Amino acid sequence: QITLKESGPTLVKPTQTLTLTCTFSGFSLSTSGVAVGWIRQPPGKALEWLALIYGNDDKRYSPSLKSRLTITKDTSKNQVVLTMTNMDPVDTATYYCAHRRDYSMDVWGQGTTVTVSS
Amino acid sequence: QTVVTQEPSLTVSPGGTVTLTCASSTGAVTSGYYPNWFQQKPGQAPRTLIYSTSNIHSWTPARFSGSLLGGKAALTLSGVQPEDEADYYCLLYYGGAWVFGGGTKLTVL
Repeated sequence: QITLKESGPTLVKPTQTLTLTCTFSGFSLSTSGVAVGWIRQPPGKALEWLALIYGNDDKRYSPSLKSRLTITKDTSKNQVVLTMTNMDPVDTATYYCAHRRDYSMDVWGQGTTVTVSS
Repeated sequence: QTVVTQEPSLTVSPGGTVTLTCASSTGAVTSGYYPNWFQQKPGQAPRTLIYSTSNIHSWTPARFSGSLLGGKAALTLSGVQPEDEADYYCLLYYGGAWVFGGGTKLTVL
């Protein structure tokens, strides 16, 4: 059974860097074609795709946020980490990580809510 | 910047059929965009229904189907149930990056 769980701070101040961790089980990121992605959703708004990382360390980013995002993995810990720099109140959102295989984001974590406020 | 457009809202009667669409600002949506469809109910994480245009998951109810229609990706619900009331999002692949649509709020009334 594939599961993912997001963790990180619930509150960050403007201009700070956000670091979120996705801890997963039930699959190996070393498997061909498997990746872990990050998606966010501001309150009452649409989903926004952020980034993706494959087992071979290939990384993909949203063009609009690429300059602020870094995605990394720790295969031994079954974790994927997303950092977002220069946080702003508009970045307040629920952040999800998801398992990706065969062009499907098929299993999602429960999400973690991040508020950006001074 | 690439924009993916969905109907903001649709209403359907129980037992009816409704089609949601997903358009790309870059032109016609083809199978190469690997359209995904997600359902999200209030307070819940999204749940994937369809991937790669028309492929279903083991948990996808049979009344949900995906296709390409008139240059758009489409999600059709046949025999709509009250529990299908939710937000629906499409997701398109742009050669490495993915872009979500703005979502469709489906009301069953």
